[in-house]
Amino acid sequence: DIQMTQSPSSMSASLGDRVTISCQASQDIGNNLIWFQQKPGKSPRPMIYYATNLANGVPSRFSGSRSGSDYSLTISSLESEDMADYHCLQYKQYPLTFGSGTKLEI
Amino acid sequence: EVQLVETGGGLVQPGRSLKLSCVASGFTFSSYWMYWIRQAPGKGLEWVSSINTDGGSTYYPDSVKGRFTISRDNAENTVYLQMNSLRSEDTATYYCVTNFDYWGQGVMVTVSS
Repeated sequence: DIQMTQSPSSMSASLGDRVTISCQASQDIGNNLIWFQQKPGKSPRPMIYYATNLANGVPSRFSGSRSGSDYSLTISSLESEDMADYHCLQYKQYPLTFGSGTKLEI
Repeated sequence: EVQLVETGGGLVQPGRSLKLSCVASGFTFSSYWMYWIRQAPGKGLEWVSSINTDGGSTYYPDSVKGRFTISRDNAENTVYLQMNSLRSEDTATYYCVTNFDYWGQGVMVTVSS
């Protein structure tokens, strides 16, 4: 099984900060990774597809990148509405696996 | 507008069964793979099952294999999750998902005596 090691598990940041959340894949997943945002009591929302592609309607302050087996979600200038949990998902192979999640507090 | 509406959740005793349903609308249901993903209270997301467009291929993680069965009725735009031999660790909110684009509101399943 492919393990997705997500870090940090939680973080606190200030408005306007640049924030980066990471997922490391235990095997090659290519760019087969999605980042989700989940606000309290809500269903997850896809933010980044195929590791680097912004989903429709997602603000341009969000971006995704890859360096080898390390995948990152970056928020360039944090806004209050970005307070949420963030999850990564690899869909390269079964079983599909999620990272353990990052709680972003502001 | 795409809508996924899950029903069938509730409180069930360990070892018993429950069947979840998800009715889809707003897209060509028969053209999309469907997924069930769950989230235990205060925990992360876990993939539970996948089904291809005609229902001929299904996939499960080891944690539910042999106990859960996903199926679909393309005429009724509905995907199901039959859950047997339920355990306390199956307690979670279950989401119906298509293409990872669209998620239902989730349905809560609580396994407890």
